[in-house]
This record gives sequence, C-alpha cells and structure tokens, in this order.
Amino acid sequence: NAGVMQNPRHLVRRRGQEARLRCSPMKGHSHVYWYRQLPEEGLKFMVYLQKENIIDESGMPKERFSAEFPKEGPSILRIQQVVRGDSAAYFCASSRESGSPNNEQFFGPGTRLTVL
Amino acid sequence: KQEVTQIPAALSVPEGENLVLNCSFTDSAIYNLQWFRQDPGKGLTSLLLIQSSQREQTSGRLNASLDKSSGRSTLYIAASQPGDSATYLCAVSNDMRFGAGTRLTVKP
Repeated sequence: NAGVMQNPRHLVRRRGQEARLRCSPMKGHSHVYWYRQLPEEGLKFMVYLQKENIIDESGMPKERFSAEFPKEGPSILRIQQVVRGDSAAYFCASSRESGSPNNEQFFGPGTRLTVL
Repeated sequence: KQEVTQIPAALSVPEGENLVLNCSFTDSAIYNLQWFRQDPGKGLTSLLLIQSSQREQTSGRLNASLDKSSGRSTLYIAASQPGDSATYLCAVSNDMRFGAGTRLTVKP
C-alpha cells in the first residue's frame, strides 16, 4: 500500500511562471490537505479538499493560488505567476476520514519549489 | 483561534538520556493530537496519534500523553539514540494547527 505520493519532488520556476504540484493520496483516503513550510518555519495549513470539493481554504492566499481534487486523478495545487516568496516546501497529507478522533493524517515527501 | 506552542525550540542531549518534549495548545476542543518527526529536507512521519478521549499512547521507546483540560501534551523519548535526531512537531485537530517544532540533537 503506497503512501502519499507527491511530484515533482523538486521544482524550479522563474518569476512569473506557473507551478503545478501534484498529490496522490493513500489508497482509500478521500481527504487531502496542503501545507506550506517556509525555510526555518513551521507548517502552515493552506487548504483541505475532498473529492471535487474544497472544504476549507482559509490558509490559502487569495490570489494566484488554487487547488483542486478531481473525481479522477491527483489533487493539484496551482500557483500562478510565482514570486520568490513562494519558494518553500509544499506538503500534502491525506486521511481516511475527517472531523473525528480517528482522523490520522499521513504526509507525502513534499515538493520543494524554488523560484529564481 | 487555536495556538500551538512547542518548548523547547531546540534540545541537545547525550546518547542514552531520557527526554521530554512539550506541546501546549489554547483551545481544548480538539479531536486528537498527533506527533510527527521530520528529518532535514524530508517529509513528516507520523509517530503517535492520541484521540481526545485518551490519556496516552505508546510506541516502542516513545510515549505521548495528553491533558486536554490543561492544554498540554508531552512526548517522552526513552534511552535516546543519535538516530532520534530530528525535528519533532505536534499538531492538534480539528484544523491541524502545527507547533513550530523542537529540534532534537542526540550526541553519540
């Protein structure tokens, strides 16, 4: 049973380009969470999705960032017109359920985005 | 708004010592608390999950306790080893707010 998969593991973009980060949850998990970790800082929640629905995007910047989790395929975190401040590690986590004491999240290895 | 604090920010101990990492949170209405380990440049590995109705969980040399009423959790590591060196993060759910972590170094 493969864990949470993220790709690419490393992504380099120039300012103004688009970055697309992909996350495949663990088998049987229908809840996906995205987090951002800036250098020397803790993890910050960005967005929580279920299949075809955004449940909580309170941590997502209002502009340039979007996320989706289609019925088929991985979840995508999209950053348009990247700026140097977007350079960070982006982690995806998945869980089988949500809103319960059994909600254990499992993390992917992360995508390290570098904006030149 | 939930605030999660971890103390100390960094800890260095000689091999073999028992140690305690602390996590405190401001809102006791949580579903669970999860402890993670993060190695440099790597993702997070789940260590222990304590449900809100539980007081503690154990896995090998690790023991995590939860006191919801006081808003505290501790992670106890017995007989520390150099391989335990990593950053340890706690997160509370409902909304998975993370502490900033404790960076642990175990010296041989």
